[in-house]
Amino acid sequence: QKEVEQNSGPLSVPEGAIASLNCTYSDRGSQSFFWYRQYSGKSPELIMSIYSNGDKEDGRFTAQLNKASQYVSLLIRDSQPSDSATYLCAVNDSGGSNYKLTFGKGTLLTVNP
Amino acid sequence: EPEVTQTPSHQVTQMGQEVILRCVPISNHLYFYWYRQILGQKVEFLVSFYNNEISEKSEIFDDQFSVERPDGSNFTLKIRSTKLEDSAMYFCASSVAVGYTFGSGTRLTVV
Repeated sequence: QKEVEQNSGPLSVPEGAIASLNCTYSDRGSQSFFWYRQYSGKSPELIMSIYSNGDKEDGRFTAQLNKASQYVSLLIRDSQPSDSATYLCAVNDSGGSNYKLTFGKGTLLTVNP
Repeated sequence: EPEVTQTPSHQVTQMGQEVILRCVPISNHLYFYWYRQILGQKVEFLVSFYNNEISEKSEIFDDQFSVERPDGSNFTLKIRSTKLEDSAMYFCASSVAVGYTFGSGTRLTVV
């Protein structure tokens, strides 16, 4: 059973701070990694993808990948109250077909004004 | 920006009834998926569909479930005889490759 693990939180940060979200995965063959944001009662929204080791930056978001450690992280700089949501880590299943994703349970982030 | 459209947004059905959840994927996408999320739990893969056939399904996707692409635009999920434990948000997604777009979801409540 391929697993994706995240701390469920809640993670609480003050407005303007850096929020750090972490994820580990069990499928050593996985090649594609994603962070989705999910507001309560809404669908997941893709915010970052990363495919190679290292950092990838997009605006206030930075994804970090370490395949040797099977570890993915998401940093949110200058956190805003609108960033308050559940952040889902998703990993492409290497043994499956057609880009099946396995999701973690998500980390609830609260940004306090 | 192109969207994946799902209807209805909320459906209430009696146990044992059949339901059909509908999705219109993004027009140039080739891969289609159904996922579900029981309240407070993970988003779980149900099925993927490519080239007019199922390419993979999970153990959740048993004989009570079926998918169909009846025309060039719609993609449907049918649950033949609903159970209480089928109550969940059902998300359709589509992609050109890896990293896909989800629809807004259908909340299915089985009573």
